[in-house]
Amino acid sequence: DAGVIQSPRHEVTEMGQEVTLRCKPISGHNSLFWYRQTMMRGLELLIYFNNNVPIDDSGMPEDRFSAKMPNASFSTLKIQPSEPRDSAVYFCASQEPGTAGANVLTFGAGSRLTVL
Amino acid sequence: SQKIEQNSEALNIQEGKTATLTCNYTNYSPAYLQWYRQDPGRGPVFLLLIRENEKEKRKERLKVTFDTTLKQSLFHITASQPADSATYLCANRGSTLGRLYFGRGTQLTVWP
Repeated sequence: DAGVIQSPRHEVTEMGQEVTLRCKPISGHNSLFWYRQTMMRGLELLIYFNNNVPIDDSGMPEDRFSAKMPNASFSTLKIQPSEPRDSAVYFCASQEPGTAGANVLTFGAGSRLTVL
Repeated sequence: SQKIEQNSEALNIQEGKTATLTCNYTNYSPAYLQWYRQDPGRGPVFLLLIRENEKEKRKERLKVTFDTTLKQSLFHITASQPADSATYLCANRGSTLGRLYFGRGTQLTVWP
């Protein structure tokens, strides 16, 4: 298995532009998580999906952020419009079914976003 | 919400020694606690999980303890090697199933 695949690995954009981050979870995993990591705040959960349905989006900073999971093999995190304070590494992680009680996650390599 | 504290941002030890990392949590007492390793430019990788009814868990040179009275977990790497240099994160679940809270991590450096 190729693991959790994220794209792009690096993105540099200007303030006000739309940013779309993509994630392909491990086949067969039924939960998908989006995290953001910064030096100041560490790893923060933004949103997670179970069976393609958003379960908890309380970590989404504001209306500029949106996430979708149209099918079991693809998810996007969109920021529109982007701001410099959105600069961070965004991680996608998936979890295999039957392990909800333990929440063991497999992370992707992350997407490093820089907003100028 | 759950709060996870790893009280050392950085730990430097000599090769061959035992590294001990600390994780404290507040509020909700979790049913389990996890440890992850993160290398620069990569995502965290799961290492070990210890449940509340387990006092200790081992995996090769790794050992984790869990004290629900102290609300603390200790993570030990015995016979440490330079290849063990990385950031180690602890995590546990809050009161809401599905949410996993992470500490800020401890950056371990093992020098020859």
